[in-house]
Amino acid sequence: EPEVTQTPSHQVTQMGQEVILRCVPISNHLYFYWYRQILGQKVEFLVSFYNNEISEKSEIFDDQFSVERPDGSNFTLKIRSTKLEDSAMYFCASSVSGTGGKNTEAFFGQGTRLTVV
Amino acid sequence: GEDVEQSLFLSVREGDSSVINCTYTDSSSTYLYWYKQEPGAGLQLLTYIFSNMDMKQDQRLTVLLNKKDKHLSLRIADTQTGDSAIYFCAEKVMDTGRRALTFGSGTRLQVQP
Repeated sequence: EPEVTQTPSHQVTQMGQEVILRCVPISNHLYFYWYRQILGQKVEFLVSFYNNEISEKSEIFDDQFSVERPDGSNFTLKIRSTKLEDSAMYFCASSVSGTGGKNTEAFFGQGTRLTVV
Repeated sequence: GEDVEQSLFLSVREGDSSVINCTYTDSSSTYLYWYKQEPGAGLQLLTYIFSNMDMKQDQRLTVLLNKKDKHLSLRIADTQTGDSAIYFCAEKVMDTGRRALTFGSGTRLQVQP
């Protein structure tokens, strides 16, 4: 069964460093997402991406964050200068469709646990 | 804006039915999802329902939707120890053009052997 894959599973970085989290969405999906889950808190939406551009972003997704689809398969989340409060589990997800009709359900990867020290 | 609430913890005995509840606030055209998260793992989509439906059944899972009360429940029949996990309710409001899911806090289901 196709699945969303994320690498690495765990990343430790020093405060102020840049990190890139990688995701390979399901191959026929067109919509891509990043969510995060700070330990003990809700899963929060960060950004959605469609047709090579950001289609929606939350207040969390400030100038320190960026997303990219550098080739036909990868979808990346970059945090330019990490802060302690960026420590969280970051989930990538993808879906066939976005807003309406069938096939809008999002399939999630296993997550990357980011620890900022 | 959307807000999704869940109770935090549920404990049942193996073989019993589990009922996990969720309330949501938005009354627009909505998809409602149930995800399962096992320890250290990602979010596994279990099932979903559209707001024009009252019920959906998929093997041991039954989703009930009470639109008037904005209440969603997930019933797991014949609960097994492998069902122990955190269950997240999530909402996607369709008629705003938004694509984001709003998640509840998750209900930790503990199945006693």
